[in-house]
Amino acid sequence: EAQVTQNPRYLITVTGKKLTVTCSQNMNHEYMSWYRQDPGLGLRQIYYSMNVEVTDKGDVPEGYKVSRKEKRNFPLILESPSPNQTSLYFCASSLGRNRPSTEAFFGQGTRLTVV
Amino acid sequence: DAKTTQPNSMESNEEEPVHLPCNHSTISGTDYIHWYRQLPSQGPEYVIHGLTSNVNNRMASLAIAEDRKSSTLILHRATLRDAAVYYCILRAYQTGANNLFFGTGTRLTVIP
Repeated sequence: EAQVTQNPRYLITVTGKKLTVTCSQNMNHEYMSWYRQDPGLGLRQIYYSMNVEVTDKGDVPEGYKVSRKEKRNFPLILESPSPNQTSLYFCASSLGRNRPSTEAFFGQGTRLTVV
Repeated sequence: DAKTTQPNSMESNEEEPVHLPCNHSTISGTDYIHWYRQLPSQGPEYVIHGLTSNVNNRMASLAIAEDRKSSTLILHRATLRDAAVYYCILRAYQTGANNLFFGTGTRLTVIP
């Protein structure tokens, strides 16, 4: 089954403790992306990757890092989480680069709380 | 990026057709019109997309105005499972074309 898998689904952590949210897709997609969703602000893009070793900032990249060492994985790293990073996070993937006609697949989300 | 305008909310009775409108008056000739929906507690889900012609798939139909300045997502028989936020998104052939920019969408309530 084609899917995007995020882990963990829920995470409560303390300020400053480094964490990684993993994202993996099994569709051989070149493009992957991270979004955060907050009440009243909607879905906003954090980072995206057009292919292995190619990443770029989205609209709200501050406080986040990403890496793309393998095509299937695109982890989101919070090196020093702060309470304003409490949010619902989604990973997405789609086929091709700079192709506006492709369908994007989303993970089930990771609800992160930073206390 | 060209912007879209959607009503904040709509209601429909179960098993009735639903027409969700989207205005995109600044659309360019190469912009694709995409629709996604987000069910409660889930990630966004692709529904349908089109360029100029009307499109049908197993989930919905997309009717695109002749001047392409508006489009309508049609759910032929709404079910309770269709209650979601529906997003109309434009995507152009450009660097970063895979990126999706979500607006506020239309929250669809289905009444049993």
